[in-house]
Amino acid sequence: AQSVAQPEDQVNVAEGNPLTVKCTYSVSGNPYLFWYVQYPNRGLQFLLKYITGDNLVKGSYGFEAEFNKSQTSFHLKKPSALVSDSALYFCAVRDSTNAGKSTFGDGTTLTVKP
Amino acid sequence: GAGVSQSPSNKVTEKGKDVELRCDPISGHTALYWYRQSLGQGLEFLIYFQGNSAPDKSGLPSDRFSAERTGGSVSTLTIQRTQQEDSAVYLCASSAGTGKDEQYFGPGTRLTVT
Repeated sequence: AQSVAQPEDQVNVAEGNPLTVKCTYSVSGNPYLFWYVQYPNRGLQFLLKYITGDNLVKGSYGFEAEFNKSQTSFHLKKPSALVSDSALYFCAVRDSTNAGKSTFGDGTTLTVKP
Repeated sequence: GAGVSQSPSNKVTEKGKDVELRCDPISGHTALYWYRQSLGQGLEFLIYFQGNSAPDKSGLPSDRFSAERTGGSVSTLTIQRTQQEDSAVYLCASSAGTGKDEQYFGPGTRLTVT
């Protein structure tokens, strides 16, 4: 079985400060990990993914995420938050042994205040 | 090129009626996914297709739900004898393949069962 946990329903940061949105996962095989963002009244958009290789992956809009195998985590980060980053963020995992099914976390609402 | 499209964008139906939701994936994408998103909740996996085959139907909530895909392209999700708990946003996504490929989401169909 595969699962994803996003332990924080809500993350609040001030504009210009660094942000972190947390994600932990559980899979039987190797994980394929993804972050998606849902802006208000817009569809889900892909941000970045980890498949293999370098543990630090960079994606759209200045976001990056660090894969940590020992902690089974894939936290989303950005060095300097923008008000326009305010949105709902989803972490998702696929197990390499069952590569068709994706399991999504419950989402974290990020609010960046000016 | 065109993204994933879904129709209708909104559907209001009476309890007990059948509904059909349509998804047009990105051209050339072999994998297609259906999810359900209830208000303020995460994404619930329903089913995925690889070509016209559905290797994993484990997420379908009951036998009232069914889906098909024809010609490796358009997919239809059918809900028979709708219930109020079926009210949600139904999201479709497609990807070039399964496993390592990110998903591209449609705008969703908001289903309201009265």
